Amino acid sequence: AQSVTQLGSHVSVSEGALVLLRCNYSSSVPPYLFWYVQYPNQGLQLLLKYTSAATLVKGINGFEAEFKKSETSFHLTKPSAHMSDAAEYFCAVSGQGAQKLVFGQGTRLTINP
Amino acid sequence: SAVISQKPSRDICQRGTSLTIQCQVDSQVTMMFWYRQQPGQSLTLIATANQGSEATYESGFVIDKFPISRPNLTFSTLTVSNMSPEDSSIYLCSVDQTGVNTEAFFGQGTRLTVV
Repeated sequence: AQSVTQLGSHVSVSEGALVLLRCNYSSSVPPYLFWYVQYPNQGLQLLLKYTSAATLVKGINGFEAEFKKSETSFHLTKPSAHMSDAAEYFCAVSGQGAQKLVFGQGTRLTINP
Repeated sequence: SAVISQKPSRDICQRGTSLTIQCQVDSQVTMMFWYRQQPGQSLTLIATANQGSEATYESGFVIDKFPISRPNLTFSTLTVSNMSPEDSSIYLCSVDQTGVNTEAFFGQGTRLTVV
């Protein structure tokens, strides 16, 4: 079975500051891990994914995440926040590729001018 | 990649009625997935729809409440039956691509409000 915990339902950073969104997972099998972004009234867009290849994964819009097995973490980072990054971010895990995703509770990211 | 179209995009329904949501994919896929996103909440998997067999439901979801059809490899429907205000949610259809480019693709969702 898989589960995901996102620490912090709301994160607020200043424009230009580092973005760090935390995700810890639990999985009984080697996990597939994903970060999705959801803008208001829109569907889900894939930011990046870990599928057992490189542990440091680079995604779209300058985001990246590092898979740390020893810490069961997959935290999302971006060096410099932009106003357009304001959205809801979801971490998800699966033990079967991209099937039957288990989502975290989501983190709402706010960017302050 | 896969492009998913969902209909309707939103609806307001009376309690006690049913709504059928359609999901069309631009390529043939083996499995389709239905998720629910309750207001301010995360996504929860409702069921997996396979062509030619009964859908597989997750714990807490039953066929009588959420019947699913999968008549071919590009189309599925989810019906929300005998609706109550608690069914007000966004319902999303998803397909997966597993392999070199493992990814789940999502439709834009159906925003359902039950009054």
